[in-house]
Amino acid sequence: EVQVVESGGGLVKPGGSLRLSCAASGFTFSSYSMNWVRQAPGKGLEWVSSISSSSNYIYYADSVKGRFTISRDNAKNSLYLQLSSLRAEDTAVYYCARDVRGDVWGKGTTVTVSS
Amino acid sequence: DIQMTQSPSSLSASVGDRVTITCQASQDINNYLNWYQQKPGKAPKLLIYDASNLETGVPSRFSGSGSGTDFTFTISSLQPEDIATYYCQQYDNLPRTFGQGTKVEIK
Repeated sequence: EVQVVESGGGLVKPGGSLRLSCAASGFTFSSYSMNWVRQAPGKGLEWVSSISSSSNYIYYADSVKGRFTISRDNAKNSLYLQLSSLRAEDTAVYYCARDVRGDVWGKGTTVTVSS
Repeated sequence: DIQMTQSPSSLSASVGDRVTITCQASQDINNYLNWYQQKPGKAPKLLIYDASNLETGVPSRFSGSGSGTDFTFTISSLQPEDIATYYCQQYDNLPRTFGQGTKVEIK
């Protein structure tokens, strides 16, 4: 079965850090670009970051540039998002999604930034 | 950034009705447009890609059309299980912006 599963969310204080992971299975992970998309409580979807299949191209939304770092390990079929200097407005469900089409999504992991 | 203006923000229709949602891009996006369905508490699900291509396994009552800057998503006969919020998203340019969503309810 083709799937991606996010993990690593939790409660963190403003200014803190967190590392999210996305484990992929059922497809050739190294052949696909990957994305992180987030959704704040009661709000719409916001694209956060994308990484090409071989990590040659990396892109960020302006709202997270300089604070978040996307990476991947094709040998481990895993995608990561390092979150730093977290703010209350980063509170959201973070989804991992495959490819530019976003054809496979995980169930998401919740990040709450609060003192 | 490309702005995606989606309308209406919500709608209420009866089972069997034809439902139409529009999405307008602030510039030509070369038909690089997705439509997603999101049910409460669930992840988004891809329904339509490249503006008009139905994703595998998606019922044929869902369709997409349009080109350039103006796009339409249609449910030909609304079913109770279609209650959800629908989003358009362009992937022609970065950032890959989403529309604000359309919440579909049963009348």
